Amino acid sequence: NAGVTQTPKFQVLKTGQSMTLQCAQDMNHNSMYWYRQDPGMGLRLIYYSASEGTTDKGEVPNGYNVSRLNKREFSLRLESAAPSQTSVYFCASSEEAISNQPQHFGDGTRLSIL
Amino acid sequence: TQLLEQSPQFLSIQEGENLTVYCNSSSVFSSLQWYRQEPGEGPVLLVTVVTGGEVKKLKRLTFQFGDARKDSSLHITAAQPGDTGLYLCAFPTGGFKTIFGAGTRLFVKA
Repeated sequence: NAGVTQTPKFQVLKTGQSMTLQCAQDMNHNSMYWYRQDPGMGLRLIYYSASEGTTDKGEVPNGYNVSRLNKREFSLRLESAAPSQTSVYFCASSEEAISNQPQHFGDGTRLSIL
Repeated sequence: TQLLEQSPQFLSIQEGENLTVYCNSSSVFSSLQWYRQEPGEGPVLLVTVVTGGEVKKLKRLTFQFGDARKDSSLHITAAQPGDTGLYLCAFPTGGFKTIFGAGTRLFVKA
């Protein structure tokens, strides 16, 4: 049972470079989310997709874009990476975009921007 | 200022000890969730509490939701090294957004 799979697990970028973080879930969930986790800050929502074909901004969307490619896949793109975007990024999914439903998380992508 | 304040931020104890960690807010919660995150992994939901005063038990873990639904606690009895991890409380806001606390990092020494 894969659940939520994120790639890559680690990445180092130089300031100004771009990259896409990939996320796929095999639980037939409708809703998917991208978070970043920083020390002392908790998980903060970047973007979410309530259902296939829709995306919406979360708490900290600046500097990021997302694509809900199909029901399974939800990618996060950094167009021009900045050191402030150094973080651990988590993708999550839930059956529906009702916030008291359990969210299932991937194991994260650890991103460092120099 | 965090909507959810978790305390302590860090806790290091010996195997076999008991401990309690707390999640507090000035807001009233419709429900509250606890997640555990092990090193190098994503958070995993442990429990959801929805009723003021509710107590839920999960083996050696006891979760309590405050009567006024503004706070919650997690008590671990006879902690084991496998309990090591980051414990996060989370507030489902009723919309699409769940607000997470910064967590309590627990280390249980063998």
